[in-house]
Amino acid sequence: EDKVVQSPLSLVVHEGDTVTLNCSYEVTNFRSLLWYKQEKKAPTFLFMLTSSGIEKKSGRLSSILDKKELFSILNITATQTGDSAVYLCAVAASGNTPLVFGKGTRLSVIA
Amino acid sequence: KAGVTQTPRYLIKTRGQQVTLSCSPISGHRSVSWYQQTPGQGLQFLFEYFSETQRNKGNFPGRFSGRQFSNSRSEMNVSTLELGDSALYLCASSPRDGISYNEQFFGPGTRLTVL
Repeated sequence: EDKVVQSPLSLVVHEGDTVTLNCSYEVTNFRSLLWYKQEKKAPTFLFMLTSSGIEKKSGRLSSILDKKELFSILNITATQTGDSAVYLCAVAASGNTPLVFGKGTRLSVIA
Repeated sequence: KAGVTQTPRYLIKTRGQQVTLSCSPISGHRSVSWYQQTPGQGLQFLFEYFSETQRNKGNFPGRFSGRQFSNSRSEMNVSTLELGDSALYLCASSPRDGISYNEQFFGPGTRLTVL
């Protein structure tokens, strides 16, 4: 059975800290890994990674995929209170199979 | 482009009742997926529709059903509601065509409370 495990489940940091969120997966016929940010309701798309070792970057957020070790990390530098959210990792396999989501990491950034 | 819309946003029902939730995907998107999100289980896949056909189904009982219309709008129905059905129901649309995969775009969700 395909599986996505995120760690830690929750995290509290101070503004300005750097955080690393982890996502490991076991999936047959891996196609891509996606990161989402969920603040109140709708998860919003952050990154999609398909190639190993290539960093995707957007402002203070960056992510990288290691297809050999089957994991990805999401880094957030100089955290702000607006980064407080649940960060979801999901994996897509080839074909028409649905996304498999991890349970998320709840990040709380305090001033 | 307008985003994914879901109606209603909030719903309170009692055990044994049934409920219908609606989702309008982003214009041009033909794939619509439904998820149930609860604090304990996270995001769990319910089903996906593509061109009016159910293409994938998650591990939920037959009380959960759905359909998609020719304009790609989708509905999901839950019959004989149970307390455990209380959750946030999220709909996501994707432009994927069954050959290539693209990211999913989520709606704001419907918060269902079963009393």
